[in-house]
Amino acid sequence: EAGVAQSPRYKIIEKRQSVAFWCNPISGHATLYWYQQILGQGPKLLIQFQNNGVVDDSQLPKDRFSAERLKGVDSTLKIQPAKLEDSAVYLCASSLVAEAFFGQGTRLTVV
Amino acid sequence: AQKVTQAQTEISVVEKEDVTLDCVYETRDTTYYLFWYKQPPSGELVFLIRRNSFDEQNEISGRYSWNFQKSTSSFNFTITASQVVDSAVYFCALSEWETSGSRLTFGEGTQLTVNP
Repeated sequence: EAGVAQSPRYKIIEKRQSVAFWCNPISGHATLYWYQQILGQGPKLLIQFQNNGVVDDSQLPKDRFSAERLKGVDSTLKIQPAKLEDSAVYLCASSLVAEAFFGQGTRLTVV
Repeated sequence: AQKVTQAQTEISVVEKEDVTLDCVYETRDTTYYLFWYKQPPSGELVFLIRRNSFDEQNEISGRYSWNFQKSTSSFNFTITASQVVDSAVYFCALSEWETSGSRLTFGEGTQLTVNP
């Protein structure tokens, strides 16, 4: 079974630029999550989708972050404009019932 | 609000030693799920175990064992006869019952280094 796919693996951008990350969940998993993991910390939930609807985006900085999950499968997370403090690993996860399965993440460096 | 505390930031052991990673949690919910994940240098979070709050039986899986004590809000993880491949960051996590255990609140992680 294929795991959660994310791209790109690494991205370096200058502050005030925009960036987008892509996630393809495990086939059949209705729930998809985006987490932000700052170096040395545990992941923090940004947004949760159930199919193509948002379940929880209370932790998403909506002035600069946006996410969508068209057709209830793939998802994209966008940051515009990026700030230095957005440097982190962005992890996508999906779940069918309980356990969340994670991708390898996208490491974003904002300079 | 939910909170997970992993007081041990870093642990270093020599191969074949036993090591216990501590996890203490806070929640107002009476039912919830607890998890442990492993994050090797490659960055992917690897699921290790899920326990629900009404099942306090300890669990053993090979060299891994978990001790859940609801009375002390702890869910500790022990690796027996550690190996170099166990070197990773280990995260304890908590989730609400209503989300079927999948919206996770993580601790800050414990970096385990197993030296040969």
